[in-house]
Amino acid sequence: DQQVKQNSPSLSVQEGRISILNCDYTNSMFDYFLWYKKYPAEGPTFLISISSIKDKNEDGRFTVFLNKSAKHLSLHIVPSQPGDSAVYFCAANPNTGNQFYFGTGTSLTVIP
Amino acid sequence: EAQVTQNPRYLITVTGKKLTVTCSQNMNHEYMSWYRQDPGLGLRQIYYSMNVEVTDKGDVPEGYKVSRKEKRNFPLILESPSPNQTSLYFCASSLAGAPEQYFGPGTRLTVT
Repeated sequence: DQQVKQNSPSLSVQEGRISILNCDYTNSMFDYFLWYKKYPAEGPTFLISISSIKDKNEDGRFTVFLNKSAKHLSLHIVPSQPGDSAVYFCAANPNTGNQFYFGTGTSLTVIP
Repeated sequence: EAQVTQNPRYLITVTGKKLTVTCSQNMNHEYMSWYRQDPGLGLRQIYYSMNVEVTDKGDVPEGYKVSRKEKRNFPLILESPSPNQTSLYFCASSLAGAPEQYFGPGTRLTVT
């Protein structure tokens, strides 16, 4: 049973516009969330994270929003650049252990 | 250069032939983990290790073994591989208490 879900397998956005990637989770014990970016033939690389005590974390063009009541987080990329084209995974870590649960990924294409 | 290395990068084998995928990190990280990536399923955690001689099961440990005899190495062992273990495998590491993981480049395994 997938505890972390990314319901959009793919997303296309024009360069310069905003990209919004969504992630939903079911386990209320999750207290830390991360986004990873993955290029083909490479391993995922860490992008940005957020603790459950916050509802927003910003790092340059990347902002993650957390809505605990809806069990939903989103990654905003503004402005989107062609180099942002990659697969994005959200991940969650429960406060009860050291396991990590990943979503199925969203493939972002930024069109020049 | 700080990195996680995996070997081999590609492997084709036959059912039942024992194999080991090696993972090594040079960052003195305490936490190491193995994941498999499958289409439509995202990344799923197989095993993780909090430190030397401390390992624990992730979400999908069946058919796999691990060992952590040295801090830098965390090999993944398939004692009797089966076709359903055909997948893309990633090793990852992080400092204790830091959820952000560094991933290796991946090992594509095909079991025929």
